[in-house]
Amino acid sequence: DTAVSQTPKYLVTQMGNDKSIKCEQNLGHDTMYWYKQDSKKFLKIMFSYNNKELIINETVPNRFSPKSPDKAHLNLHINSLELGDSAVYFCASSQGQITGELFFGEGSRLTVL
Amino acid sequence: GNSVTQMEGPVTLSEEAFLTINCTYTATGYPSLFWYVQYPGEGLQLLLKATKADDKGSNKGFEATYRKETTSFHLEKGSVQVSDSAVYFCALRAAGTALIFGKGTTLSVSS
Repeated sequence: DTAVSQTPKYLVTQMGNDKSIKCEQNLGHDTMYWYKQDSKKFLKIMFSYNNKELIINETVPNRFSPKSPDKAHLNLHINSLELGDSAVYFCASSQGQITGELFFGEGSRLTVL
Repeated sequence: GNSVTQMEGPVTLSEEAFLTINCTYTATGYPSLFWYVQYPGEGLQLLLKATKADDKGSNKGFEATYRKETTSFHLEKGSVQVSDSAVYFCALRAAGTALIFGKGTTLSVSS
């Protein structure tokens, strides 16, 4: 059983399109995250939710909109995709907000053409 | 602000060589420190952690000691294997902040 699962694993799309990435965790954690990893492997936090409530919203264009229907799911919707959005997006979860022990999904590689 | 600085890679070693990957940090208060590992095509996994000064985290033959006086958390392994080839990330978590990662160091071990 995969602890943190993301779909799709690969996504290739044209500039200007809208796409979504879904994330589910079965660990019973109350906090979920989205991280973006660029081509140089640099990881940056985008959003964090605790019990469906947004607690971290870094400087991210408002074309990116996270949604957490329940504490086991955190989806990421991206409008009007741009070339610079090409990256690997990682979902992660943790128990509590103060821990640094995150469990990561396998990533979703987004390529914008 | 809080930040993590890792040595630039890639690091290329022969099997059974000694590994050190340097990591230093800047943070207010007393952060917790972590090493994560990312194998090719996978997500990150926690490798080890230390939550207070002088703590030593260890796992799978890797070790790192939380040194407050030098604000460092260097990763070491006495004898690397080909299977250790991966990207290693140093990270910190300070009060009220998300986990912050360094830029990652790619390790390549050849037989």
